[in-house]
Amino acid sequence: AVQLVESGGGLVQPKESLKISCAASGFTFSNAAMYWVRQAPGKGLEWVARIRTKPNNYATYYADSVKGRFTISRDDSKSMVYLQMDNLKTEDTAMYYCTAEWVYWGQGVMVTVSS
Amino acid sequence: DIQMTQSPASLSASLEEIVTITCKASQGIDDYLSWYQQKPGKSPQLLIYDATSLADGVPSRFSGSRSGTQYSLKISRPQVDDSGIYYCLQSYSTPFTFGSGTKLEIK
Repeated sequence: AVQLVESGGGLVQPKESLKISCAASGFTFSNAAMYWVRQAPGKGLEWVARIRTKPNNYATYYADSVKGRFTISRDDSKSMVYLQMDNLKTEDTAMYYCTAEWVYWGQGVMVTVSS
Repeated sequence: DIQMTQSPASLSASLEEIVTITCKASQGIDDYLSWYQQKPGKSPQLLIYDATSLADGVPSRFSGSRSGTQYSLKISRPQVDDSGIYYCLQSYSTPFTFGSGTKLEIK
């Protein structure tokens, strides 16, 4: 069965950094574009970042709200995707989901930015 | 950026009704449109992809259609378990954008 399991969330202070991870299994990870999507408490869904596959040069794309602060990466040998979040702001507080090809979704990991 | 205007924001329906939720794209998106259901405390679940294709394991009472740049999700004879929040997503171009969501209650 397909599984996406996020980890690494927690409480951090503004301007700090955090790296969250997503472990994939049950499908050919190296063939899948991967995405991070977030959802602030009580709000809707917001796309955060995308990373394409090796044939597409692992191209990355970001929402304007995180560009220059967040970095998406992947390790196909480990079936992992990561989101490095730097200079965090209170408005980054959200549940973060990873998704494979917009089809499979993880259960999410909570990131809280507060002083 | 492509805007996705979703309506209604909320609705309540009975078991015998046909429920329709719409998303209007601000420009053409070549049917790169999917629909998701989200229940409280859970991650979104894919219902429809490529505007009209039913995702694996999704009941046939769910269907998707398009008219111009307006996309619709229809639920025929909804079940109580269909209550939740529904979102559309355009994956035609970055920044990918979701509709604002429709909260559906089945009475």
